Amino acid sequence: SQQGEEDPQALSIQEGENATMNCSYKTSINNLQWYRQNSGRGLVHLILIRSNEREKHSGRLRVTLDTSKKSSSLLITASRAADTASYFCATSSGGSYIPTFGRGTSLIVHP
Amino acid sequence: DGGITQSPKYLFRKEGQNVTLSCEQNLNHDAMYWYRQDPGQGLRLIYYSQIVNDFQKGDIAEGYSVSREKKESFPLTVTSAQKNPTAFYLCASSIVGATDTQYFGPGTRLTVL
Repeated sequence: SQQGEEDPQALSIQEGENATMNCSYKTSINNLQWYRQNSGRGLVHLILIRSNEREKHSGRLRVTLDTSKKSSSLLITASRAADTASYFCATSSGGSYIPTFGRGTSLIVHP
Repeated sequence: DGGITQSPKYLFRKEGQNVTLSCEQNLNHDAMYWYRQDPGQGLRLIYYSQIVNDFQKGDIAEGYSVSREKKESFPLTVTSAQKNPTAFYLCASSIVGATDTQYFGPGTRLTVL
């Protein structure tokens, strides 16, 4: 069963704009991760946020976590055409170390 | 050069044939995983292994088999019992007990003709 659900399913923006995608989940989590997948490639880990953290930054990425709303957001600032990819959230719960992946948000950044 | 390799990149199979997908890692990770990805479905867990000679079924294990004879290798066999095997297959590995971060291979696209 899938825990995280990304929203929107697809996002199309112009280079230089910010991209925001959201992830909602159903049960309490230990941590939440965001991954990126270029077309036809494997996933690449971007950032992990633990359940007791509210915000993390990594370069142009900003992730927030609201455990009361069971949601997270990934913000990519000043997007570039090279950011075009699918972005997945993955949650880990209870005693399991295996993350459960959502269906992803497809981001297209137009040059 | 550390990482996970999968081979082949593309694989074509006739109906009724078994095929084996290769996954090798030199990250010294204990855990390895196989996922299936279909359009719009995200990743679904097929099998995983925490230790050599031990593996567990994931959410969609029917029609698949695995082995874990070496720490660095976790091959997946897609058997003829898998009714709809055309998909993109991803292998991943992780350190058990640290974080849940997974490291993925480049994937194998399997097409049944």
